[in-house]
Amino acid sequence: EAQVTQNPRYLITVTGKKLTVTCSQNMNHEYMSWYRQDPGLGLRQIYYSMNVEVTDKGDVPEGYKVSRKEKRNFPLILESPSPNQTSLYFCASSRRAQISYEQYFGPGTRLTVT
Amino acid sequence: QKEVEQDPGPLSVPEGAIVSLNCTYSNSAFQYFMWYRQYSRKGPELLMYTYSSGNKEDGRFTAQVDKSSKYISLFIRDSQPSDSATYLCASTDTGANSKLTFGKGITLSVRP
Repeated sequence: EAQVTQNPRYLITVTGKKLTVTCSQNMNHEYMSWYRQDPGLGLRQIYYSMNVEVTDKGDVPEGYKVSRKEKRNFPLILESPSPNQTSLYFCASSRRAQISYEQYFGPGTRLTVT
Repeated sequence: QKEVEQDPGPLSVPEGAIVSLNCTYSNSAFQYFMWYRQYSRKGPELLMYTYSSGNKEDGRFTAQVDKSSKYISLFIRDSQPSDSATYLCASTDTGANSKLTFGKGITLSVRP
């Protein structure tokens, strides 16, 4: 089954404790992206990757890091999480950046930072 | 001004009603217009997309774009309780990143 998977689905952590949210897709997609979804603010792009080893900032990159060493994986790293990073996070992918209108989203990771 | 504006609702309708969901956008460079559906505790799922102005129909769903007024609409005919979800409009240009810009979403409830 073609899908985007994220782990963990739920995470409660404390301020300053480094964490990684994994994202993997099995569709051989070139383009991958991370979003956060907050009430009243909608979905906002954090980082994106147009292909392996090519990443760039989205609208709200502060406090996050990403890497793209393999085509299928695009982990999101929070080096020192803070309470304002409490949010619902989605990973998404599409075949190419030029057809990002056909993005497939993962199931989401609900992160709480206390 | 946010680039894509969407009435946050919520919206509640009886089963069988025709539903009209609307967005406006401000960026003239936008060429693709999408509607995503998001069920509770799930990721957004692409319903349909339209390129430039015009209509697109898929079963009970019709997407409409009027670029002259920068207006995006989704119509749902014969609405069903299973249509109860949050609907997100989104737009993008044809640039290298092709970043999606989303509206805030509207929650629709279809009452049996």
